Amino acid sequence: DTAVSQTPKYLVTQMGNDKSIKCEQNLGHDTMYWYKQDSKKFLKIMFSYNNKELIINETVPNRFSPKSPDKAHLNLHINSLELGDSAVYFCASSLGQVGYTFGSGTRLTVV
Amino acid sequence: KNEVEQSPQNLTAQEGEFITINCSYSVGISALHWLQQHPGGGIVSLFMLSSGKKKHGRLIATINIQEKHSSLHITASHPRDSAVYICAFMNRDDKIIFGKGTRLHILP
Repeated sequence: DTAVSQTPKYLVTQMGNDKSIKCEQNLGHDTMYWYKQDSKKFLKIMFSYNNKELIINETVPNRFSPKSPDKAHLNLHINSLELGDSAVYFCASSLGQVGYTFGSGTRLTVV
Repeated sequence: KNEVEQSPQNLTAQEGEFITINCSYSVGISALHWLQQHPGGGIVSLFMLSSGKKKHGRLIATINIQEKHSSLHITASHPRDSAVYICAFMNRDDKIIFGKGTRLHILP
């Protein structure tokens, strides 16, 4: 009965690979988000999707692409991984601006 | 100038103390959030405020829109309150801005 679930929890991969992180919410929320938490623990919004439309797209490299097959899913696909992509990535969802719920995070390590 | 400033950056206190964490912002906002990140990394949304004051258990959050300031208070603090507390808001451009967090450590 997990509200926002991310998979995998840990991901170790080599530079240059392409990887995806999945996120699913069962809360009936209409907006989903991806955040990156850097080594200094600073959170930064990457993307948000509302009703399958991208409504915020921060200045992230275009190697990162969000994919939302439906309102309950927002996956993050990363091409040509670089060392600097190593971070913890959090998925979250909300209903409008209420009920923000975060996933448990995916720790990505690029070697 | 940063759009949001949190203080203090680090806070160590004894169990039972009253804790205050501050968040000041410089732009118009529609709502402000307080988040808690546990040592294990999980993030929990504590409050969303657009005016006044909210209370949940031992946690109290206040916001003064005119002064562009919000505070998070913890009464009767406990070691399990040890975490990073982050304020975040959405500005008028629908951009989410996070504070850098306050690392709280409550000693038994």
